[in-house]
Amino acid sequence: QKEVEQDPGPLSVPEGAIVSLNCTYSNSAFQYFMWYRQYSRKGPELLMYTYSSGNKEDGRFTAQVDKSSKYISLFIRDSQPSDSATYLCAMSFPSGGYQKVTFGTGTKLQVIP
Amino acid sequence: GAVVSQHPSWVICKSGTSVKIECRSLDFQATTMFWYRQFPKQSLMLMATSNEGSKATYEQGVEKDKFLINHASLTLSTLTVTSAHPEDSSFYICSARTERPLNTEAFFGQGTRLTVV
Repeated sequence: QKEVEQDPGPLSVPEGAIVSLNCTYSNSAFQYFMWYRQYSRKGPELLMYTYSSGNKEDGRFTAQVDKSSKYISLFIRDSQPSDSATYLCAMSFPSGGYQKVTFGTGTKLQVIP
Repeated sequence: GAVVSQHPSWVICKSGTSVKIECRSLDFQATTMFWYRQFPKQSLMLMATSNEGSKATYEQGVEKDKFLINHASLTLSTLTVTSAHPEDSSFYICSARTERPLNTEAFFGQGTRLTVV
């Protein structure tokens, strides 16, 4: 079983739709939970991070963490064509003086105008 | 956010040659940089952790003699793929971590697509 599981998609939605991206994990040691956006042939860009269960909102994006179920989600409201990208969940735990990060495989999202 | 610059963004080399990839933190000092490898439709796989002024720490299964990492200063880390072969063709990405406000926040370079022919 992988430490982090993420549905690879692809996910195709119409502009304005609400998008739900999800990851599950198995390692209880994970402390920080992050979502990255990666455009084609580019490095990932950090969107949001959190370290506690619950919701965190930033504009059209809401990150949700449920540590009891080992489940995290990213919601995108009023999706735009510019949101089309691959979204990676990531989680980290302390190791050797820094946070060791494990990434999901990414979900490819396409928002259709 | 902080800027990490990676160079080159795309390189093609002949089998058996070596390729050097640079990763620079442009507006902050990064005591620790990370090198990842990403195959199509797969997640980023950590190859090694690079600390300024010391030897890199390699993940299990990564050949340290093949992937040479040098972190000569607080703003520069390099990855050299030695004697490259077609199976080394991949997308290589570096990241640099800041200590504040969150010591896991990472800024990524734009990646280097290596094709070995």
